[in-house]
Amino acid sequence: DSGVTQTPKHLITATGQRVTLRCSPRSGDLSVYWYQQSLDQGLQFLIQYYNGEERAKGNILERFSAQQFPDLHSELNLSSLELGDSALYFCASSVVWGAGELFFGEGSRLTVL
Amino acid sequence: AQSVTQLGSHVSVSEGALVLLRCNYSSSVPPYLFWYVQYPNQGLQLLLKYTTGATLVKGINGFEAEFKKSETSFHLTKPSAHMSDAAEYFCAVSSRSQGNLIFGKGTKLSVKP
Repeated sequence: DSGVTQTPKHLITATGQRVTLRCSPRSGDLSVYWYQQSLDQGLQFLIQYYNGEERAKGNILERFSAQQFPDLHSELNLSSLELGDSALYFCASSVVWGAGELFFGEGSRLTVL
Repeated sequence: AQSVTQLGSHVSVSEGALVLLRCNYSSSVPPYLFWYVQYPNQGLQLLLKYTTGATLVKGINGFEAEFKKSETSFHLTKPSAHMSDAAEYFCAVSSRSQGNLIFGKGTKLSVKP
């Protein structure tokens, strides 16, 4: 158990819909990262937050957004969903910003029908 | 920009045989290098990491990796494979000034009895 909690574990929805994925980092970790894992793209970095502020952005679509709240949990919002958004979405956390070990949750599997 | 190339999307070895998973990186700054393992339906778990200092790094479950700057490589080895090593392995790169990890596409390891 990494200490990172993600909900929901599985989510099935239809094209055009909007979903929210939630992540609770390990106790004391200030950094939260979101990754998307798909068969064709592998593990893609989406976005990182540190203590409530966005610190780095990767290959995140404009239809996707995220935020980190004062209690340090984070949410990833995916809107206008397309079939290609079906993937495993991982949240990870770390104590510091910069080259520390990332601790990963078990992921939220999104299926768009 | 940083990148990682993992040679071989699938590697199959016999139980008791040497495991060698290859990783080459590209980085314009001193890299920090990581190997993660992903078991089915689970998140990623850190096997080992190199930041500075000794170039031969030992990790969990008997794995080790050697940082070779001249070859821009960070190959993962284990002297004797065990059935429980069957999983997908990811090499990742970061740096002192970068919080997120850039992952390779992964190598799926199969262990035959």
